[in-house]
Amino acid sequence: KNQVEQSPQSLIILEGKNCTLQCNYTVSPFSNLRWYKQDTGRGPVSLTIMTFSENTKSNGRYTATLDADTKQSSLHITASQLSDSASYICVVSYNTNAGKSTFGDGTTLTVKP
Amino acid sequence: GAGVSQSPSNKVTEKGKDVELRCDPISGHTALYWYRQSLGQGLEFLIYFQGNSAPDKSGLPSDRFSAERTGGSVSTLTIQRTQQEDSAVYLCASSLAGRRAGQPQHFGDGTRLSIL
Repeated sequence: KNQVEQSPQSLIILEGKNCTLQCNYTVSPFSNLRWYKQDTGRGPVSLTIMTFSENTKSNGRYTATLDADTKQSSLHITASQLSDSASYICVVSYNTNAGKSTFGDGTTLTVKP
Repeated sequence: GAGVSQSPSNKVTEKGKDVELRCDPISGHTALYWYRQSLGQGLEFLIYFQGNSAPDKSGLPSDRFSAERTGGSVSTLTIQRTQQEDSAVYLCASSLAGRRAGQPQHFGDGTRLSIL
């Protein structure tokens, strides 16, 4: 079982609408959680990073939340645009000497006009 | 550009052949990572370099896979005796410091490998 579970697996919304993507993790000890955006045919690009003490962080129309107690994170996209169509990947890193990261399988978002 | 560069962008080869994939990280980045992404799947970690050393090779799927990094810069991922299940996109990423620093990984656009 993957230690980082994302939902939904895929999502279709209309342009201008909002959406929320979920990430649940069991990684322990926790160091940080990062959301990446991966456009088709491209490498992932970092959107936000959340550490243990942070609850909310925004990057333009993207807002990430973190509940370290329940080990859940969400990525909220406001006023979606066609260019938001991509895969969104949640990555959780360990707070150990190794600092290893575990990747979720991603949520594929399609924004339709 | 100043981003991570991977070559070739596409590679088609016959089963049983050896392939070499190249990654040029961002200048000054000490950490380098290789991942594999099969069609419609998530990223699968292969290997992590800190400088020229690879403290974590735990993701390499078999002894047909190997990687090296020289001069703290360019890295090459080699797959020997390729199999059809090796078909995937191979992504390289680099970060300014090692994994513990929590710095973002900057990814290249990958090499799409197809084994016939």
